[in-house]
Amino acid sequence: ETGVTQTPRHLVMGMTNKKSLKCEQHLGHNAMYWYKQSAKKPLELMFVYSLEERVENNSVPSRFSPECPNSSHLFLHLHTLQPEDSALYLCASSQDHDRSYEQYFGPGTRLTVT
Amino acid sequence: AQKVTQAQTEISVVEKEDVTLDCVYETRDTTYYLFWYKQPPSGELVFLIRRNSFDEQNEISGRYSWNFQKSTSSFNFTITASQVVDSAVYFCALSDTTYKFYFGSGTKLNVKP
Repeated sequence: ETGVTQTPRHLVMGMTNKKSLKCEQHLGHNAMYWYKQSAKKPLELMFVYSLEERVENNSVPSRFSPECPNSSHLFLHLHTLQPEDSALYLCASSQDHDRSYEQYFGPGTRLTVT
Repeated sequence: AQKVTQAQTEISVVEKEDVTLDCVYETRDTTYYLFWYKQPPSGELVFLIRRNSFDEQNEISGRYSWNFQKSTSSFNFTITASQVVDSAVYFCALSDTTYKFYFGSGTKLNVKP
């Protein structure tokens, strides 16, 4: 595997379900990110982890819970979601959490909440 | 206030035409970085270029070129002799001292055969 991988690629869940999104980066990077991409909206940064510590949480509802067990893996735990949470969830990584480093993205998980 | 503006929501061209995607940014910082990403229908954002605020030289990479002008706070992207495979959504992004990435809303490019 190379780059940034995400599983599953597609997920349909009911509002009462609990599911998790997984991201893995094979680039040796120290920072990882979760973004939400909704139709007709700019990418929204949700969470930032640097060296496995959360450094940013942009007012994301508590029904989204991130976890970063090591610098290569990032999870997004989902529970009691709303239909408006349906979106493409993108994971990214960068060498460090610094403005000068470009981010490398995974293919995303297309989430549909019914 | 929006930090990155991509005023062109969607552009359609015929193959082999040249096309320029506009990006205007806003920041008070003297040190910042600008980026372009391509998002094909598969969904993955692909990094294209990074430019720092102290380097105003234009850059060319094959059919791609970028024009950075601090005087107008613009970082425009031109594709020469467009191809169908260039069809995608293109995002411009800014990273400044807040260490955040600010993405524009994207420009969808349709290249027709």
